[in-house]
Amino acid sequence: DSGVTQTPKHLITATGQRVTLRCSPRSGDLSVYWYQQSLDQGLQFLIQYYNGEERAKGNILERFSAQQFPDLHSELNLSSLELGDSALYFCASSVVPTGNTGELFFGEGSRLTVL
Amino acid sequence: AQKITQTQPGMFVQEKEAVTLDCTYDTSDQSYGLFWYKQPSSGEMIFLIYQGSYDEQNATEGRYSLNFQKARKSANLVISASQLGDSAMYFCAMRPAYSGAGSYQLTFGKGTKLSVIP
Repeated sequence: DSGVTQTPKHLITATGQRVTLRCSPRSGDLSVYWYQQSLDQGLQFLIQYYNGEERAKGNILERFSAQQFPDLHSELNLSSLELGDSALYFCASSVVPTGNTGELFFGEGSRLTVL
Repeated sequence: AQKITQTQPGMFVQEKEAVTLDCTYDTSDQSYGLFWYKQPSSGEMIFLIYQGSYDEQNATEGRYSLNFQKARKSANLVISASQLGDSAMYFCAMRPAYSGAGSYQLTFGKGTKLSVIP
C-alpha cells in the first residue's frame, strides 16, 4: 500500500460526459502528479501541483483540468469525453525532493472507460 | 528534454533464471535520477529500485540490481532467480536535476512485458 488513495477505481461513462477523479496523497506529501496510461501512448505526465499551486504541465488536453485543495487532495476533471480518453489515470505523490530520491508513490489508478 | 527508451516490448525468462531488461536514456542534465517500476496485471505501479547519477555503486534491492553505465547512458534492470510473480510490465523512468522550485515529474519509457515461464 503506497498510501496514495484514488477514487473511483473504475468508471464507465458515455462520450460527451464529464467526470471527476479524486486523489489523496500520502500524509505529508505536498506534490501531486497526474499521469494518463493508455495502450498506445504509455505513461504520459499530465500535470503537477505543489502545495495547492500548479507547478508543471505536460500533455494535458484543454478539456482536462485539475486542482489541489488546501487539505492537499487533488481532483482531475475530464470533460467532453471522447472514446480516446479511455485510459488508466494515475495520481502520484512525493515528498519535497531535497535530500530525497524523488521517488513517486502511485495510487492504484482510476480506470476510465468511455463508451 | 529527457527521453527513456526501452527497446524490448516483451521478454521471456525461465523460472529461477536471471533476466536483464534494457533501458537507455537521454538527458543534458549532469544530475538526475533513474528508477524502475513494476506494474503487475492488477495495474498498480510498484517502485523497485533507484540510481542517482552520481552514485558510484550500482544500486541493489534484493533480487533487483541496476546495471548503470553512465557513459553509455544505460540503466538496465537485472532480476536474479526469476519467480512466477515477476511476470509484469516493467518501466524505466528518469527524474530531472533538482533546481529550486522546479518540477520533478518522472519521464517513463514504453515498458517491457516480462513473462516468467515455469
